[in-house]
Amino acid sequence: ETGVTQSPTHLIKTRGQQVTLRCSSQSGHNTVSWYQQALGQGPQFIFQYYREEENGRGNFPPRFSGLQFPNYSSELNVNALELDDSALYLCASRLPGLAGVNEQFFGPGTRLTVL
Amino acid sequence: AQTVTQSQPEMSVQEAETVTLSCTYDTSESDYYLFWYKQPPSRQMILVIRQEAYKQQNATENRFSVNFQKAAKSFSLKISDSQLGDAAMYFCAYRSANQGAQKLVFGQGTRLTINP
Repeated sequence: ETGVTQSPTHLIKTRGQQVTLRCSSQSGHNTVSWYQQALGQGPQFIFQYYREEENGRGNFPPRFSGLQFPNYSSELNVNALELDDSALYLCASRLPGLAGVNEQFFGPGTRLTVL
Repeated sequence: AQTVTQSQPEMSVQEAETVTLSCTYDTSESDYYLFWYKQPPSRQMILVIRQEAYKQQNATENRFSVNFQKAAKSFSLKISDSQLGDAAMYFCAYRSANQGAQKLVFGQGTRLTINP
């Protein structure tokens, strides 16, 4: 157990819809990252939030957006869903401080299927 | 941009034997961190072992050890005395040591099967 939870576990949407995925981090973990893991692939970095502001983004379009809240929870929002958005979405949180080898704690992920 | 390559999509080993998973990476940076993560069917990514690039000594965590070859940009994972619970997907990952860059760059993964 990493202390990071995600909801829902599974989700089915249709193309063009919007979806919100949620992550709850450990207390004090003020940095959260989101990853997309397509079937049979390694996770791909979507973006990172630090103190409620985005401070790093991977190669994902603007229809992927996020929010981070003061209570160490966060959201990933995806608009205008496409079939290729079907994947496992992982969030990972870490403690603040030096950019050392601070471990990132991963949640169990949300499996999104777009039909 | 940094890349991580795992050339073994699948590996299998007999229980109690030793297995080595391969990983190579490409970067122009001199300071970075390397990780091996385990992802069991439960999907939760679990950190197995980590290596700071500035350390010459290879990291070891119980039955898990790495062979870090910085010049060759190679970072292999050795699992000794394999156990059934080691069966999972294993991902090699890279992270820059730059202050603002906390993203992990993952390889494609290696599926490890343990034969009883």
